[in-house]
Amino acid sequence: GAVVSQHPSRVICKSGTSVKIECRSLDFQATTMFWYRQFPKQSLMLMATSNEGSKATYEQGVEKDKFLINHASLTLSTLTVTSAHPEDSSFYICSARAGGRQPQHFGDGTRLSIL
Amino acid sequence: DAKTTQPPSMDCAEGRAANLPCNHSTISGNEYVYWYRQIHSQGPQYIIHGLKNNETNEMASLIITEDRKSSTLILPHATLRDTAVYYCIVRVGSSSNTGKLIFGQGTTLQVKP
Repeated sequence: GAVVSQHPSRVICKSGTSVKIECRSLDFQATTMFWYRQFPKQSLMLMATSNEGSKATYEQGVEKDKFLINHASLTLSTLTVTSAHPEDSSFYICSARAGGRQPQHFGDGTRLSIL
Repeated sequence: DAKTTQPPSMDCAEGRAANLPCNHSTISGNEYVYWYRQIHSQGPQYIIHGLKNNETNEMASLIITEDRKSSTLILPHATLRDTAVYYCIVRVGSSSNTGKLIFGQGTTLQVKP
């Protein structure tokens, strides 16, 4: 089946640090990738959608300068949380889709803790 | 804004069928119904999707009513490992690159011994 790998699985860092999370589609080419965030006991919230080689489209209320997304190839997208603060602590999950009506497949998430 | 309505929680006995309902009364003709589940502290897992015909795969069956306003996910023989939050999602957007999944609150299924 389609596999999406996300790295790292857990990050703990100091306030003010920038953190990069990688998302790779291992056995298919992802024309579209998605980044979600999930707070405890809440559902997933879509942050942004990106197509390979294009700028990401951010959902309302998500700061594009805070959450930098790069979808450089058909198998790799990165999310950089710039100058992270404790309120950015969350579970970040990426998702990838081959295209058309293909289902989205999700990574196992990155738990980010900012001290 | 979720376009689906699901019960917040359900229980099911181990070995029995779990039937999870979902209402999507405003679904458009070209929108698919997707089902995912999320086990605690993991990313969502794709289960099944459909447009208007019933679908079955190795994990589950999806029954969609003729008017497409509701559907039911069936896990034929639930096990303890099926305990998870199940999300029914109508995919927003019809073109190949703009469709996205917007998650609602889902149904927490508890499978009991």
